[in-house]
Amino acid sequence: EPEVTQTPSHQVTQMGQEVILRCVPISNHLYFYWYRQILGQKVEFLVSFYNNEISEKSEIFDDQFSVERPDGSNFTLKIRSTKLEDSAMYFCASSEVGTRGETQYFGPGTRLLVL
Amino acid sequence: GIQVEQSPPDLILQEGANSTLRCNFSDSVNNLQWFHQNPWGQLINLFYIPSGTKQNGRLSATTVATERYSLLYISSSQTTDSGVYFCAVNTGRRALTFGSGTRLQVQP
Repeated sequence: EPEVTQTPSHQVTQMGQEVILRCVPISNHLYFYWYRQILGQKVEFLVSFYNNEISEKSEIFDDQFSVERPDGSNFTLKIRSTKLEDSAMYFCASSEVGTRGETQYFGPGTRLLVL
Repeated sequence: GIQVEQSPPDLILQEGANSTLRCNFSDSVNNLQWFHQNPWGQLINLFYIPSGTKQNGRLSATTVATERYSLLYISSSQTTDSGVYFCAVNTGRRALTFGSGTRLQVQP
């Protein structure tokens, strides 16, 4: 069964550094998402992406965040200048056509620790 | 935005017991998914169930959309069922709104 993959599985960085989290969505999917989960809290939506542009974003997704589809398979989340509060599990997801009523498939997550 | 409430927040079971987890939501939904977050933090898709009933092995789920709730049934629980179970929904937006989860511990 096709899966969403994410790399790295874990990343430790110093406050102020830039990080790039990578995702490979399911190959025939057209809509991509990033969510995050701060330790012990609920999963929160960050951004959705379709046709090379942001479709929706939450109030969390401020100017320090950006997303990109640099090639035909990867989908990335960049955090420009990390803060301690960016420490979280980051999940990538994808869905087939992006209708509101369809399954979103989640990757295994990248655990980011900012020191 | 839509509100999602899950109950109970915590549940401890003996292996072999059955359980029911509940998800209440405040508006009509286009998408409702149940997830299991395992001890490694991975979100495992259990069901896509905006309405109706589905079964997959020892797990089943029912969503009564008109009454705005969904139930996840776990039968003959095993220690590997331990983890956090999340319900997530969307309405007019594609973004999923997650509940706070039910933390399940199955003891041998």
